[in-house]
Amino acid sequence: AQSVTQPDIHITVSEGASLELRCNYSYGATPYLFWYVQSPGQGLQLLLKYFSGDTLVQGIKGFEAEFKRSQSSFNLRKPSVHWSDAAEYFCAVAAPGGYNKLIFGAGTRLAVHP
Amino acid sequence: DVKVTQSSRYLVKRTGEKVFLECVQDMDHENMFWYRQDPGLGLRLIYFSYDVKMKEKGDIPEGYSVSREKKERFSLILESASTNQTSMYLCASTRGQPQHFGDGTRLSIL
Repeated sequence: AQSVTQPDIHITVSEGASLELRCNYSYGATPYLFWYVQSPGQGLQLLLKYFSGDTLVQGIKGFEAEFKRSQSSFNLRKPSVHWSDAAEYFCAVAAPGGYNKLIFGAGTRLAVHP
Repeated sequence: DVKVTQSSRYLVKRTGEKVFLECVQDMDHENMFWYRQDPGLGLRLIYFSYDVKMKEKGDIPEGYSVSREKKERFSLILESASTNQTSMYLCASTRGQPQHFGDGTRLSIL
C-alpha cells in the first residue's frame, strides 16, 4: 500500500539556521510529490511539487526539495529559516493519472527560536 | 487565483445532529475532496467526487456521506454526529494536480 512517512513530529531551529524536513514514501513507481505548509488556523498552501525531470525543485518562500529515487525520499530544505516559517509541513504523494488523490504524511511541526 | 471557500470556520454541534459542511470552488474543477485532519495522523481522505453526482469513498468514509449537485459545490454530511467526529475538516479541488485547499472547518461535537 502507498504510504508517506515524516519521521520528525516536531523540529525546533533557531532563526537563520538551515532546515531539512524529511519525507520518505512507499510506492511502486515514481509518484507525483508535494510539500504543503499549514499556518495555524489556516488551510494548506502548496510549497512545491515534483512530477518529473530535474530532481531539485524550487518552491515558494525560499524552499527547495530534492527527489532521490534510490532512497524514495523527497526532503524539504531551506538555507536560512525565518520566524514566519513556523508552521506545520506536510509531504504528500499522488499516483500519476487516476482521480488525483493525495496521500499525506503525518506532518512535521516546525518551531523557530528567535 | 483558485478560491476554495468553506462555509464555516468554526462549528459546534450536538451528538446525534445531522451536520452539513459546505465547500465551494470558483475554478470549474472536476475533482473535489473532503479530508479530516487530526494531530499525528495528517490528512485522511473521507470522500471525493470527480464529476457532478459522482462520488467515491476515500479511506475513512464511515459515518459520512457527500453530495455534489452542482460542479462548484461539494457538501460533506455527518448523518448522526458523534464525539469522535470532532476534528478539522478540509476541502480541496483540482483539475489535475496540485490540489487547492480551503481554510478548513473546525468542528466540535458535544
